[in-house]
Amino acid sequence: DAMVIQNPRYQVTQFGKPVTLSCSQTLNHNVMYWYQQKSSQAPKLLFHYYDKDFNNEADTPDNFQSRRPNTSFCFLDIRSPGLGDAAMYLCATSRNSYNEQFFGPGTRLTVL
Amino acid sequence: AQSVTQPDIHITVSEGASLELRCNYSYGATPYLFWYVQSPGQGLQLLLKYFSGDTLVQGIKGFEAEFKRSQSSFNLRKPSVHWSDAAEYFCAVGTVTTGGYNKLIFGAGTRLAVHP
Repeated sequence: DAMVIQNPRYQVTQFGKPVTLSCSQTLNHNVMYWYQQKSSQAPKLLFHYYDKDFNNEADTPDNFQSRRPNTSFCFLDIRSPGLGDAAMYLCATSRNSYNEQFFGPGTRLTVL
Repeated sequence: AQSVTQPDIHITVSEGASLELRCNYSYGATPYLFWYVQSPGQGLQLLLKYFSGDTLVQGIKGFEAEFKRSQSSFNLRKPSVHWSDAAEYFCAVGTVTTGGYNKLIFGAGTRLAVHP
């Protein structure tokens, strides 16, 4: 089945230690998104790629970076995680900008 | 500014009872509207969407939603709730950014509990 895959499902890191989260898709969609979802809150868009075109949300901290080496993969890099960065990170894809988004299962990040 | 309001933070219903989850949006143009469901520790699953056309849309798992432009609402309904419907439900509106891209604005969510 076509799907959005996120690895790992659970990630524990130390305060200030860089961490990378991975997302891959078999849907061949043009757009890939990264969301941050804190406990009992709505998902918040961090940034997205339309093909290789990177679009950062204005309020996304510089601590968060992303890479999309090819159509299938997208990475979220947190350069120096703080305690406030502990959250569920959701990857989503859509065929084009105006289509519905399909979400992966998420990566739960814990910062010690 | 675009926004989505889900007035009910928590709702509890009995299994077999009907359900309506409320959603109001604020958006200047014709909206793209979505309902997603999230089980604990999982990603979001699309229940249904409204882009245009018939204002009553059918989704998966027996859910439906009705778009009412005059009320700026997109309420989600199910005639008979099952225990497996217990989850968090998010309403979202698709908006166009200054760069011409679509982004989702989510409501705060409604947590549904189902009593046996």
